Amino acid sequence: NAGVTQTPKFQVLKTGQSMTLQCAQDMNHNSMYWYRQDPGMGLRLIYYSASEGTTDKGEVPNGYNVSRLNKREFSLRLESAAPSQTSVYFCASSEPYGYTFGSGTRLTVV
Amino acid sequence: DAKTTQPPSMDCAEGRAANLPCNHSTISGNEYVYWYRQIHSQGPQYIIHGLKNNETNEMASLIITEDRKSSTLILPHATLRDTAVYYCIVRPYSGAGSYQLTFGKGTKLSVIP
Repeated sequence: NAGVTQTPKFQVLKTGQSMTLQCAQDMNHNSMYWYRQDPGMGLRLIYYSASEGTTDKGEVPNGYNVSRLNKREFSLRLESAAPSQTSVYFCASSEPYGYTFGSGTRLTVV
Repeated sequence: DAKTTQPPSMDCAEGRAANLPCNHSTISGNEYVYWYRQIHSQGPQYIIHGLKNNETNEMASLIITEDRKSSTLILPHATLRDTAVYYCIVRPYSGAGSYQLTFGKGTKLSVIP
């Protein structure tokens, strides 16, 4: 039982490059989320998917797109990376009692 | 705006109880109190949640005041592995508002040998 798996764990991008962060969960949860965490800060919600086939913006959606590929998978895409998107990205899935988070993707944009 | 207020940092001696306070004076009737922790730079980990009754599980106890305006997370016998940032969060258990898990800066708990 892996929980929430994120790939890659580390990534360095040049400004303007694009990439997709992958997330998969094996707990049959309906809801999935993408958060970012900047140094010394709490997590901020980028996008979420309440159920398969739906996505909604969170607190900081600008510069990102998401795809809920199926119930298990929720991807986050940066179309044109900017240095301000340097952060640690966490994917999560949830049932009402609580969330399970992945181990994070550490992204640096130079 | 954060719905909760927590002290930025606390110390606790190893083996002693760690009591982490949280103020949530504007909590609504349908909102639960959730606690998560983040060890080093790992993903946050769910600890416990409650509505108005005190709750206990294998990790911790949650004490909620009768007026529900504040709560305390208790780690009964803190170990060095409990050193982490602890987040107190309020949110509805279900429905549209339940998808917005808002993290503040939390309390940095340092367990001292």
